[in-house]
Amino acid sequence: QLQLQESGPGLVKPSETLSLTCTVSGGSITSSSCYWGWIRQPPGKGLEWIGSIYYSGSTYYNPSLKSRVTISVDTSKNQFSLRLSSVTAADTAVYYCARRDVGFSSSWRGGGMDVWGQGTTVTVSS
Amino acid sequence: QSALTQPRSVSGSPGQSVTISCTGTNSDVGGYNYVSWYQQHPGKAPKLMIYDVSKRPSGVPDRFSGSKSGNTASLTISGLQAEDEADFYCCSYAGSYTPYVFGTGTKVTVL
Repeated sequence: QLQLQESGPGLVKPSETLSLTCTVSGGSITSSSCYWGWIRQPPGKGLEWIGSIYYSGSTYYNPSLKSRVTISVDTSKNQFSLRLSSVTAADTAVYYCARRDVGFSSSWRGGGMDVWGQGTTVTVSS
Repeated sequence: QSALTQPRSVSGSPGQSVTISCTGTNSDVGGYNYVSWYQQHPGKAPKLMIYDVSKRPSGVPDRFSGSKSGNTASLTISGLQAEDEADFYCCSYAGSYTPYVFGTGTKVTVL
């Protein structure tokens, strides 16, 4: 059974870079029908899609964060990562990694995020 | 790209049906048949309930159904049960510039 686990610092100082890693277990990150993404949820607020990556390295970003976000993949470690630069208090949130499987969809744009990590809380504060 | 619009809350008694709307534009919900729905209980990760507007993943009860008309997608919960009380979010593909956008979220209360 595929599982995802986020890891990284829980506290980041303003203006620094937030770095998180998602480890995939019980399956391969090189699955041809899967995209791997990051979603965040500020305290008491809704979900925000940050971006996603395919194992080949193709990336897709939320334009509101694009200038600060980098998502990368390490197939040898079965991991993908998020870097968010120049963070402020507004970046304080629970960060989730998730798999989007398009295997049962008619398009690579479809499917749904069917496996999620448990989420990790990141606080931006000095 | 603005978040898709959902009602803040809906409620119903056990056994009743409730419908949650998700309104976007012809650049997202109306332009593609790639709407998904997620259920989130407090302190938990979201769970996929519907994808591609109306398809149910394995294991999701058939009480949950999805549909779309124009720029509005809908999630209907039939035979409401206590465990359905949660927050629900829609999500739509929105084109190559803004690939995915979530809805504002709806709290479902079982009376």
